[in-house]
Amino acid sequence: KNEVEQSPQNLTAQEGEFITINCSYSVGISALHWLQQHPGGGIVSLFMLSSGKKKHGRLIATINIQEKHSSLHITASHPRDSAVYICAVGRGNNDMRFGAGTRLTVKP
Amino acid sequence: GAGVSQSPRYKVAKRGQDVALRCDPISGHVSLFWYQQALGQGPEFLTYFQNEAQLDKSGLPSDRFFAERPEGSVSTLKIQRTQQEDSAVYLCASSSLGYEQYFGPGTRLTVT
Repeated sequence: KNEVEQSPQNLTAQEGEFITINCSYSVGISALHWLQQHPGGGIVSLFMLSSGKKKHGRLIATINIQEKHSSLHITASHPRDSAVYICAVGRGNNDMRFGAGTRLTVKP
Repeated sequence: GAGVSQSPRYKVAKRGQDVALRCDPISGHVSLFWYQQALGQGPEFLTYFQNEAQLDKSGLPSDRFFAERPEGSVSTLKIQRTQQEDSAVYLCASSSLGYEQYFGPGTRLTVT
């Protein structure tokens, strides 16, 4: 079993829909990261959080440490949000474990 | 520059060739990481540097893989005698010690 599990693997939504991507992990962590990867490979860090909730524009990330679970929400989704979203857990300076990613396609 | 840069962005190598992938981290970042990302998968850890010291190379898949960061800034990942299974995107990331990692655009390596 992977240490970081994401669901769903693939997600297709209509523009304007509210989107949720889930991440569960099985190891102790120092922080959890949500990353966005566009075609071509470049990765952008969206959030780093160790408790509670963070919001940036239309993106919201939450984490429940006791349940070892995090969610990434996108409100009023747009085709430009189409990308792969990766959950990663940090376990120290040099130890980061990644989920396989959720491929999001937002149709106009 | 403002971010992590990697070169080349794309590399096609014939099986058996040696390749060298370069990473320029954000200036001043102590930590540098290399990851390998196979198609449809999340990145997997290869190796970690703190300044010029390679503190962890447990993720390197074989002794054909070698990484260096001689002056604590630019890093090079070298793959000798490339094999088809080496085809992947190689990602570099840098960070200030203990803080979030900033990723480069990656180098897509295709071994034919």
